Amino acid sequence: QKEVEQNSGPLSVPEGAIASLNCTYSDRGSQSFFWYRQYSGKSPELIMFIYSNGDKEDGRFTAQLNKASQYVSLLIRDSQPSDSATYLCAVPLNYGGATNKLIFGTGTLLAVQP
Amino acid sequence: DGGITQSPKYLFRKEGQNVTLSCEQNLNHDAMYWYRQDPGQGLRLIYYSQIVNDFQKGDIAEGYSVSREKKESFPLTVTSAQKNPTAFYLCASTPGTGGGYEQYFGPGTRLTVT
Repeated sequence: QKEVEQNSGPLSVPEGAIASLNCTYSDRGSQSFFWYRQYSGKSPELIMFIYSNGDKEDGRFTAQLNKASQYVSLLIRDSQPSDSATYLCAVPLNYGGATNKLIFGTGTLLAVQP
Repeated sequence: DGGITQSPKYLFRKEGQNVTLSCEQNLNHDAMYWYRQDPGQGLRLIYYSQIVNDFQKGDIAEGYSVSREKKESFPLTVTSAQKNPTAFYLCASTPGTGGGYEQYFGPGTRLTVT
């Protein structure tokens, strides 16, 4: 079983709609979760992180964490064509241990249609 | 400006040649990482370093070597032993060495070996 799983997509939404991106993880001990945005040909950019169960909002982005169900999601409100990118979920391996390795999902491609 | 720089942006080499990719950061981050990204395979960890003069192998270290002689620099050498070196190489750093810290990425180097 993969440690971090994402639907590869593409997820297609119309401009102005809410895009919902999901990620599941296998390590019940994971405590922090990161969302990165990667435009085609560019490097990943950190857009959100969440540590506690529930929702965390930052502008049009909301991260949702449910540790009991081992999933984390990213909602993008009022989606814009400029949001079209691949979104990567990342979870630390051995949180609290001596290393800070992140395990990345393969990413979900989001396409926002004008 | 603080950040991570990678050079060059594009690199072309003939098969059988070693090549060194540069990664420099002025964020005063402790840990640094090298990833490789291939289409559809997500990010794979090559090497990482948490302190000067120390580094550890990641998941795909064969055919690669690194050094960490200075805190701000973590160069990666792709040797002729690497069977499929053509890829997008990403360097990242993180402010701490314990678990749970976010990673920040440089702009990447796209290596093509023919």
